[in-house]
Amino acid sequence: AAGVIQSPRHLIKEKRETATLKCYPIPRHDTVYWYQQGPGQDPQFLISFYEKMQSDKGSIPDRFSAQQFSDYHSELNMSSLELGDSALYFCASSPGSGTYNEQFFGPGTRLTVL
Amino acid sequence: GDSVTQMEGPVTLSEEAFLTINCTYTATGYPSLFWYVQYPGEGLQLLLKATKADDKGSNKGFEATYRKETTSFHLEKGSVQVSDSAVYFCALRGPNDYKLSFGAGTTVTVRA
Repeated sequence: AAGVIQSPRHLIKEKRETATLKCYPIPRHDTVYWYQQGPGQDPQFLISFYEKMQSDKGSIPDRFSAQQFSDYHSELNMSSLELGDSALYFCASSPGSGTYNEQFFGPGTRLTVL
Repeated sequence: GDSVTQMEGPVTLSEEAFLTINCTYTATGYPSLFWYVQYPGEGLQLLLKATKADDKGSNKGFEATYRKETTSFHLEKGSVQVSDSAVYFCALRGPNDYKLSFGAGTTVTVRA
């Protein structure tokens, strides 16, 4: 079965650089979520989109922005990178935004900021 | 806001031992509750879920019961295997929420 695809899987950047993470949801899933998991931490919700509109916002820094495109894939843009942005970034998708809809997680993008 | 408190690890067990990981929650209304598992180097996988009080989620020998009176969703497995070594996250989703709120995660290591 098709799963959530994230690219790249690994990314190394310098401080103050920019990074773009991509997420391709499972076909026919219209809702995408982004989470950040720091080293040894629990995943923290960043932002979500339903039908290309932002549906919820968590602890996402102002330096980050995201959007969902017409084909439902999503991109997380991160600017002025800081050392503390080093983390595993997960994307999840679900068919619809209802509470009972399971979120399927991708393998994550590991971002290292040097 | 909604939150999850999870038993801290790490937990080290021998094969065939009984595993229990405690999870309690604070939420407004009636959240849905989940257990996710993260194997080394991989993403999060849904292990089981329960959407209302007294529901029991079960999968791969793991079970958890949604206890509203004690606001708990403890994970149990009667006989663990080495392949169960992973990090386990308890999570909740509020009735009007899109996001999942996770506990701190419990690292479980099962030795042969």
